[in-house]
Amino acid sequence: QVQLVESGGGVVQPGRSLRLSCAASGFSFSTYGMHWVRQAPGKGLEWLAVISYDGNKKYYADSVKGRFTISRDNSENMLYLQMNSLRAEDTAVYYCAKHKTWLVTDHWGQGTQVTVSS
Amino acid sequence: DIQMTQSPSSLSASVGDRVTITCRASQDINTYLAWFQQKPGKAPKSLIYGASSLQSGVTSKFSGSGSGTDFTLTISSLQPEDFATYYCQQYSSYPLTFGGGTKVEIK
Repeated sequence: QVQLVESGGGVVQPGRSLRLSCAASGFSFSTYGMHWVRQAPGKGLEWLAVISYDGNKKYYADSVKGRFTISRDNSENMLYLQMNSLRAEDTAVYYCAKHKTWLVTDHWGQGTQVTVSS
Repeated sequence: DIQMTQSPSSLSASVGDRVTITCRASQDINTYLAWFQQKPGKAPKSLIYGASSLQSGVTSKFSGSGSGTDFTLTISSLQPEDFATYYCQQYSSYPLTFGGGTKVEIK
C-alpha cells in the first residue's frame, strides 16, 4: 500500500534553514508527481509546491517562491523540501502528497511539524 | 490567484442527516475541483476529484457535483465518523488554492 513518511521537522530559529524529506513506498515513485502542502496551527490547508515525476517541472506558491525548493531523488524514492530564510509564519505541519494524475492528490503523508521561533 | 469560498464555515448536524457543503471559485475552473476530509490531528484524506469522481476506496455516501464556479459536496447520511472538516481545492491553475474549510459538528 502507498506510504508517505515525512521527516526533518523541528524547532528552528528565524532566518535559518531546514530540509524536509518524504520517504515514499508502495508505488512506482518515479512515475508520479508530488506536492508539498502545509497547515499552520488552527488554520486551513495551504498548497506550497509541486514537482513532476521526472523533476523537470516545478511550481511554487508566492509565499515560498525564492525561499523554498522542491526536489526529488527517484533512485531513493525520496521527495524533499529545502526551506531557507525561515520566518515565524512558516510554522506549520508540512505534508507531502502523491498525485493520482497530474495535480490530483490521492495519498497524503502523516505530516511533520516545523516551528520557527527564537 | 483563484479564490475558493466555502459555505458554511461550520454546521451542526445529526447522525443520519443529509449534509451539503458549497464551494465557489472566483473564476471558471471547469471541473478541476477536489474535496478532502480532515479529522483533528490527522492528515487530510482525499475524497473526490474532477468535481464528481470518487477516489478509490471512498464510500459512495460522498458525492460531488458542479462545474465552472459552483460546486457541492453531499454526504447522504451522516455517520459519527464523518464529523470532520472538509476542504475544497482547485487545480485549474497555479497556485493551487484551498477553500477555508467547513467544520461538520455533531448537533
